[in-house]
Amino acid sequence: EPEVTQTPSHQVTQMGQEVILRCVPISNHLYFYWYRQILGQKVEFLVSFYNNEISEKSEIFDDQFSVERPDGSNFTLKIRSTKLEDSAMYFCASSLDRVGNGGWLFFGSGTQLSVL
Amino acid sequence: AQTVTQSQPEMSVQEAETVTLSCTYDTSENNYYLFWYKQPPSRQMILVIRQEAYKQQNATENRFSVNFQKAAKSFSLKISDSQLGDTAMYFCAFMNDYKLSFGAGTTVTVRA
Repeated sequence: EPEVTQTPSHQVTQMGQEVILRCVPISNHLYFYWYRQILGQKVEFLVSFYNNEISEKSEIFDDQFSVERPDGSNFTLKIRSTKLEDSAMYFCASSLDRVGNGGWLFFGSGTQLSVL
Repeated sequence: AQTVTQSQPEMSVQEAETVTLSCTYDTSENNYYLFWYKQPPSRQMILVIRQEAYKQQNATENRFSVNFQKAAKSFSLKISDSQLGDTAMYFCAFMNDYKLSFGAGTTVTVRA
């Protein structure tokens, strides 16, 4: 069964450092997403990406964040200068169609980011 | 903005019994989708069931079923014949175009 793959599963970084979280969406999917979950809190939407551009982003997704699909298979989330409050589980997701058209959202198993 | 409310932080159920998780949401839209996701201790997000708002019939997936009350904006999840592997956090989610909005979650513990 196809799945969304995220690497690494755990990432530890120092405050102020740049991190790149990597995701390989399901191969024929067209819509890509990043969500995050701070420990003990709800899952929060960060950004959606379609046709090589951001479709929608939340207030959390400020100038420190960026996304990229560099090679047609990977989908990355970059945090330019990490802060302690960026510590969270980051989920990548993909769908064949827009969620608004009933597209099923498939989640990866997450990357736990710890900022020290 | 859509909001999703799960009013039960924790639920406990005896193995083989039934448990119902509540979820309410707020929206002015008429066509939308609702989902229940399961998050076990591994923290992976697993889709349990979904409901299209334009369908009156409640969705069912094996031991999982929903009670969708569109007028009341209510979307509860019933887990029948609970199993130990059902122990997890359960999130209700509302679809809005490009994104899902999640509730705060309900922790379900199945007792042997």
